[in-house]
Amino acid sequence: QKEVEQDPGPLSVPEGAIVSLNCTYSNSAFQYFMWYRQYSRKGPELLMYTYSSGNKEDGRFTAQVDKSSKYISLFIRDSQPSDSATYLCAATTGGAQKLVFGQGTRLTINP
Amino acid sequence: DAGVIQSPRHEVTEMGQEVTLRCKPISGHDYLFWYRQTMMRGLELLIYFNNNVPIDDSGMPEDRFSAKMPNASFSTLKIQPSEPRDSAVYFCASRTRDSGTGGYTFGSGTRLTVV
Repeated sequence: QKEVEQDPGPLSVPEGAIVSLNCTYSNSAFQYFMWYRQYSRKGPELLMYTYSSGNKEDGRFTAQVDKSSKYISLFIRDSQPSDSATYLCAATTGGAQKLVFGQGTRLTINP
Repeated sequence: DAGVIQSPRHEVTEMGQEVTLRCKPISGHDYLFWYRQTMMRGLELLIYFNNNVPIDDSGMPEDRFSAKMPNASFSTLKIQPSEPRDSAVYFCASRTRDSGTGGYTFGSGTRLTVV
């Protein structure tokens, strides 16, 4: 079993829709949770990160972590075609330890 | 800041040949990570260095893979001999301990095709 599981999709939604992306993890030692966005033929870029359980909002993006159920979510409101990318969840125990990634979900926002 | 620089961007080689991938981390970053990305397995950590010293190489798939970091501004990942199943995109990333959790900067990757 992978430490971080993510449905690879693909996921296709119309412009303006609310998008929900989800991951589960198995390692209870994970304390930091991240979402990376990766455009085609580019490296991943950090989108959001949260520490422990809770919500974090940044513009149209909201990240949620529920440590009791080991569940990580990313919500995108008012989705735009420019949001079309692969979204990767990641987790780490902290410090400069290695990131463990989910497989990534390919998202397409249709105009 | 030029970011993390990887070369080459694309590499096509024949099975059995030696392949060397190169990475220049961001100046001042003391951690360097090598990841491999495939459709089937996603992003997998191969090895990471701290202050040029390998810390965890448990993700290196087999002895055909080796990585070095001779100085703070350069690292290589070598595959010898290469096999078709090594075809993937290889990413290098760097960070500092103080960059905050999540402060990894990735390069644009090297797309390797072994035929």
